[in-house]
Amino acid sequence: DTEVTQTPKHLVMGMTNKKSLKCEQHMGHRAMYWYKQKAKKPPELMFVYSYEKLSINESVPSRFSPECPNSSLLNLHLHALQPEDSALYLCASSQEWVSSLGGGRETQYFGPGTRLLVL
Amino acid sequence: AQTVTQSQPEMSVQEAETVTLSCTYDTSESDYYLFWYKQPPSRQMILVIRQEAYKQQNATENRFSVNFQKAAKSFSLKISDSQLGDAAMYFCAYGPSGGGADGLTFGKGTHLIIQP
Repeated sequence: DTEVTQTPKHLVMGMTNKKSLKCEQHMGHRAMYWYKQKAKKPPELMFVYSYEKLSINESVPSRFSPECPNSSLLNLHLHALQPEDSALYLCASSQEWVSSLGGGRETQYFGPGTRLLVL
Repeated sequence: AQTVTQSQPEMSVQEAETVTLSCTYDTSESDYYLFWYKQPPSRQMILVIRQEAYKQQNATENRFSVNFQKAAKSFSLKISDSQLGDAAMYFCAYGPSGGGADGLTFGKGTHLIIQP
């Protein structure tokens, strides 16, 4: 099973609203990711969580706030967004391992995404 | 920093024919992963095929195969017996192999059209 689920599928919000996107996987993966994808563009990395700790923040504005409550869940809290934040938000997860020789991550599996429209 | 280049914004092929999508990349690492992902109009990102850089043998998955040329930093995808369901945007992606690494670096994508 390589399923990553995301809710909601669609979200429309005003610039003063607060909302959250949710991502869940039950594959035992310890690395989880948020990507943002604008129309006709490739996904752009936003955040990476490794063993529930934020390991990468790609200079994302503070109006996006990630949270990893446990190894299966990843949230993205949204507040005071701008119309240019309208995009498809993709969650992904991958297996990760650490050994005395170093570590690594394997294939990323993506969820279906949340289409966000900010009015 | 790694870069991934897909030089074909759009490709068109007749159903049942074979098509090859090109991808080149740049990295100073010796070990890494390369992927082809498919994104149909539903926009679900679906893994098509994966290649480990340390493996000389080209990966194959049913009708999908790659031509991995490590020295040339080239990673093309061949789709045999094209089907209507293959129509999608195809992204080539680079993934580092070491721990504490970044997410994937994607090319700009190739839009594949299948002519019936």
